[in-house]
Amino acid sequence: DQQVKQNSPSLSVQEGRISILNCDYTNSMFDYFLWYKKYPAEGPTFLISISSIKDKNEDGRFTVFLNKSAKHLSLHIVPSQPGDSAVYFCAASEETSGSRLTFGEGTQLTVNP
Amino acid sequence: DAGITQSPRHKVTETGTPVTLRCHQTENHRYMYWYRQDPGHGLRLIHYSYGVKDTDKGEVSDGYSVSRSKTEDFLLTLESATSSQTSVYFCAIGDRATNYGYTFGSGTRLTVV
Repeated sequence: DQQVKQNSPSLSVQEGRISILNCDYTNSMFDYFLWYKKYPAEGPTFLISISSIKDKNEDGRFTVFLNKSAKHLSLHIVPSQPGDSAVYFCAASEETSGSRLTFGEGTQLTVNP
Repeated sequence: DAGITQSPRHKVTETGTPVTLRCHQTENHRYMYWYRQDPGHGLRLIHYSYGVKDTDKGEVSDGYSVSRSKTEDFLLTLESATSSQTSVYFCAIGDRATNYGYTFGSGTRLTVV
């Protein structure tokens, strides 16, 4: 069963607008959440993370929001730039799983100039 | 890159042949992981290692084995390759202590014909 789900395979936005990528999870034991970005022919790179004790974390143009009651997190990119076009993966972990991460299916973001 | 390399980058092999993929790190990191990326499935954990000779299964370990005889090398072996193992394979290093800022290799694209 997929414990981390990204229901939108793709998202297209205009340059300068906000991109919102969503992720849902089912395991209530998850206590740490991350977003990774992946360009073609490259490995994923870490983007931003959030602990379950917080509901928001911001890093420049990127903000991650966590709604524990809804088991939902989102990544906001403002303003979006063409260079943000990539696949974005959300990931989650629980303390008892050691250092393993469970990833979602990914969302392809396309930012149009 | 960030001290993690995968070889080969591309490989085509025939069904039923054994295949070994190599991951080499220069970060002296304790934890290493093998993931596969497939459309609609995101990144799925195959096996991971938490030290020399210490390995464990991930969610899609059937048909794969691993070995870690040195801190810097983590090998993934497909004992008898099948077409369902056609995928892009990523190696990663990272752990909870570093807030899961996994560093990924550039990937190995494996095609089983």
